[in-house]
Parts: sequence; structure tokens; C-alpha cells
Amino acid sequence: RKEVEQDPGPFNVPEGATVAFNCTYSNSASQSFFWYRQDCRKEPKLLMSVYSSGNEDGRFTAQLNRASQYISLLIRDSKLSDSATYLCAVNFNSGGYQKVTFGTGTKLQVIP
Amino acid sequence: SQTIHQWPATLVQPVGSPLSLECTVEGTSNPNLYWYRQAAGRGLQLLFYSVGIGQISSEVPQNLSASRPQDRQFILSSKKLLLSDSGFYLCAWSPGSTDTQYFGPGTRLTVL
Repeated sequence: RKEVEQDPGPFNVPEGATVAFNCTYSNSASQSFFWYRQDCRKEPKLLMSVYSSGNEDGRFTAQLNRASQYISLLIRDSKLSDSATYLCAVNFNSGGYQKVTFGTGTKLQVIP
Repeated sequence: SQTIHQWPATLVQPVGSPLSLECTVEGTSNPNLYWYRQAAGRGLQLLFYSVGIGQISSEVPQNLSASRPQDRQFILSSKKLLLSDSGFYLCAWSPGSTDTQYFGPGTRLTVL
């Protein structure tokens, strides 16, 4: 099982729709979780950290389900500008050092 | 505020030629530093990370090497490039090992 897994998509949604992505992780001891956004041919940029109680930033909501070992990202009222690849990131303990591992990303295409 | 720089932005090199990519961070001290590679349509592959000057950990055996000659400088090198070294090379920094990672603008390397 991969350490971090995401559905690659693409998710094609109309403007104004609500879309949700999940990201599963294998290490139950993981402590830190993040969502990044990556535009085509650009570097990933932090979208939001994911807190245990869930958190919201405008149209974006992130949630953590420790029991099932996944995090989710919900985007409401999708905009054309939301079109991008969304990467999840999860920390792992590897050889005594905590490292963050990234998923391969889920591609979102918002259609007019 | 902290900023991270990478250069060059794009690079085209022949097979067998050497490589040197540089990354510098401003506005912070003793950051954790990372080199990633992202092949076309693929996820982020962690190549090296460093927790301090002269301290380098390699994640994947390959013909690349990394060095950290100064606190906020991270260099990725190769003596002889292979075709398979083509990709998008990203440098990142974080305040600590489980903290958010912030990426530089990346170097797009094409080996011909």
C-alpha cells in the first residue's frame, strides 16, 4: 500500500458546483496533514493545513478522519480559477526523522 | 518574511554533462531544506533533505548529489546527466520536520 494515495482524476465539474477530494494515508501515527495546490508547470503552494477538528477557509473545507485514515478537501461554489492539481501531504516517521510525503495529486478542471 | 529562490528557471543539457542547481532561502535561520523531482505527470519524489550545514540525507540512490555549504544554501549536483534526470526540480524549506514546506519556483531540466 502506498504511503499516501489520491485519485488522480481528472474531476471535471461545472462552475458553482461542490467537489470533494479524499487522500488516504497508511501510517496511523501520522501527525501533520496539508493540502497544496499546484498550477500547471508551477510549484506547489500551500492551500491549507488540516486540523483534527476540521477547518475552513472561505470556500475550502478540510477534514481529517483518523479512524479511516484519510483527509478530505471540499470546495464549494467552484470557480474557473480553482482548476489545478491538488496535492495532499502527510508526515511520517522514517528512521527517527519526521518527513512529509506527498500524494501524486488530484486534477480538477472547472468548466464554464 | 521568508523567500526561497531557485535558479536557473529552465535548463537544457546534453546527456553526460554536469549539473548544478542552486537554492537559497532568506528570512529564516537553520531551516530544513529539501530537493524534490517531479517527472512529467508524476508526483513529487523526495531526493534529499538536510537539517543543517553539511548534513544531507539521500532518499533515492541515483547519480545526483546534494550539498549544503551554508545555512540557507542548498545545491543539487550531478557529474553526468542521464536522460532520466529530466524533470521539474523543486527546492523547499520548512521551519521543522513536521511543519509546512514552502517551495521555490523550480527548475525545469531537459536532458537531450
